[in-house]
Amino acid sequence: GESVGLHLPTLSVQEGDNSIINCAYSNSASDYFIWYKQESGKGPQFIIDIRSNMDKRQGQRVTVLLNKTVKHLSLQIAATQPGDSAVYFCAENKKTSYDKVIFGPGTSLSVIP
Amino acid sequence: NAGVTQTPKFQVLKTGQSMTLQCAQDMNHNSMYWYRQDPGMGLRLIYYSASEGTTDKGEVPNGYNVSRLNKREFSLRLESAAPSQTSVYFCASSELGGPKYEQYFGPGTRLTVT
Repeated sequence: GESVGLHLPTLSVQEGDNSIINCAYSNSASDYFIWYKQESGKGPQFIIDIRSNMDKRQGQRVTVLLNKTVKHLSLQIAATQPGDSAVYFCAENKKTSYDKVIFGPGTSLSVIP
Repeated sequence: NAGVTQTPKFQVLKTGQSMTLQCAQDMNHNSMYWYRQDPGMGLRLIYYSASEGTTDKGEVPNGYNVSRLNKREFSLRLESAAPSQTSVYFCASSELGGPKYEQYFGPGTRLTVT
């Protein structure tokens, strides 16, 4: 079936190191991918997105990489800070689904001071 | 701007009771959404409203109804609550529908059905 999932459910990194959060998707028809951050007790917050016609996009301290050949998405956070501790979700949007965003199960990032 | 607000923050219901979750946004957004989030799973779309006056089913609509009261407000109703509806419910809004428009989420309502 169609799904968006994460390779690692939990990730611990030292403050100042770079973090890499991975995500696999199975639907090759997906044309838009989004990363969300969810802090404890709060709703998800948009981080960065990427279209399927791109393989890399950079934001402030974050980079998203898309490998369509192996249907893999990753979020890289540079110089990880304690405030980056949260659950990170990747999500896909299928061209035919218009408003419907399919979320993966999430991975928890813990930053060790 | 308050963004997206939800009430109540917490609720405990007995099986069979009904309740309405309220959501409002002050960003003049056209599209609004209701999601549920269960442990170990991503958010799943219950219903959405692409614009005022329209509503559509999402991935898991059974047991729920919605009302787009006006452009600002989008409510979710549980007519006869079941333990399987224990979850955290998030409302979201976006300027328009479609992937290029960022969704803004409310803080969530934590519902327990006993």
